[in-house]
Amino acid sequence: DIVMIQSPLSLPVTPGEPASISCRSSQSLLHSNGHNYLDWYLQKPGQSPQLLIYLGSHRASGVPDRFSGSGSGTDFTLRISRVQAEDVGIYYCMQAIQTPTFGGGTRVEIK
Amino acid sequence: QVQIQQWGAGLLKPSETLSLTCLVYGGSFSGYYWTWIRQPPGKEMEWIGEINHSGYTSYKVSLKSRLTISIDTSKNQLSLNLTSVTAADTAVYYCARGPSTSSYDYRGMDVWGQGTTVTVSS
Repeated sequence: DIVMIQSPLSLPVTPGEPASISCRSSQSLLHSNGHNYLDWYLQKPGQSPQLLIYLGSHRASGVPDRFSGSGSGTDFTLRISRVQAEDVGIYYCMQAIQTPTFGGGTRVEIK
Repeated sequence: QVQIQQWGAGLLKPSETLSLTCLVYGGSFSGYYWTWIRQPPGKEMEWIGEINHSGYTSYKVSLKSRLTISIDTSKNQLSLNLTSVTAADTAVYYCARGPSTSSYDYRGMDVWGQGTTVTVSS
């Protein structure tokens, strides 16, 4: 299985400030079709996970443009340009180039 | 707007069978895989398996001998059965829509059920 490692485990943030989360995979997620099979999900407190980003950098429908994804191969980053209070929760990366596996999650909380 | 409603028994004894059902409404089964994922307490989320509208399934290798995922398109339902459960099967179980069955149109898992908490305890 592909191992997904996220950092940091916890990220205290100040509203209005930027934030970034790193995700590394044990194997390349770059498919021969040129796409990176890496998703980002946010699980808000008491809710199911919701899709933020697919194929490394494509925002899902309805996701605010303050969220952006970047990276290729084995190193990926989720950025929030200006954190809002509603962005708190646990962020997960997931690879989908093989049988899907998830990172351990990054808990984002307001300072 | 597609929504998923889940239900199933929440408390099981070891060796019993876990049975969960998802009702999909507001949309069609076709064009997608429908995925089951679980989240054990304090552990990483785990992909369990998936099924498409034709009934083609793919299972997590370590669960394959105990797992059955099925679909009833006439009822817009998909089901998960996991036999011989142990405490290690304690988790919140989710069903989700995605990925697309088209390899050229991957868009992740974009609709999730509300989750069902399953506890296995004697």
